[in-house]
Amino acid sequence: GAVVSQHPSWVICKSGTSVKIECRSLDFQATTMFWYRQFPKQSLMLMATSNEGSKATYEQGVEKDKFLINHASLTLSTLTVTSAHPEDSSFYICSASPQKYEQYFGPGTRLTVT
Amino acid sequence: AQSVTQLDSQVPVFEEAPVELRCNYSSSVSVYLFWYVQYPNQGLQLLLKYLSGSTLVKGINGFEAEFNKSQTSFHLRKPSVHISDTAEYFCAVSDQGGSEKLVFGKGTKLTVNP
Repeated sequence: GAVVSQHPSWVICKSGTSVKIECRSLDFQATTMFWYRQFPKQSLMLMATSNEGSKATYEQGVEKDKFLINHASLTLSTLTVTSAHPEDSSFYICSASPQKYEQYFGPGTRLTVT
Repeated sequence: AQSVTQLDSQVPVFEEAPVELRCNYSSSVSVYLFWYVQYPNQGLQLLLKYLSGSTLVKGINGFEAEFNKSQTSFHLRKPSVHISDTAEYFCAVSDQGGSEKLVFGKGTKLTVNP
């Protein structure tokens, strides 16, 4: 139980284009979902917190117009990287929370911007 | 704000040996503590968590951790490791104020050698 999927697992896009990453909780409902970014050999850094049906809360330094987050249902959240640049290349990980202090993580999406 | 320090970036051990992965945290408020494991090309999986009660917490796969408030530590231990324990281990904290945001350490790569 408590499975979270991400799609795609790996994506390459050209600089200036946008890419959407999906995060789904497969066997539970998640009122809250989180988006993290992980650099090589580094820790996970929280980008934003999203609650179903409301606007996401972004961490300091994260551009909300660049990283668009939509949490349209209790099982789906999407992260859209708009006008991607090479510096946006990273490993993006989502987590879903069915209740407080319980997060289940997706397998991550490797984004490469050329 | 909270911060997490994982003192060892890499820990090599032989199979069946005991292991301790160290984690220290800094926070001005009371915190909850977590250990996650990340196998190659997979998402993070919760090993154990401390929310309240006994300071010795037992988790999955034979791991345990002890919360030491005076030393602000939450070290992870296993008395006898297996090859399959080879993975990246992350310590994380969350303040008890309700935001549920996780602050992660940089991770410790545990390599179990035959």
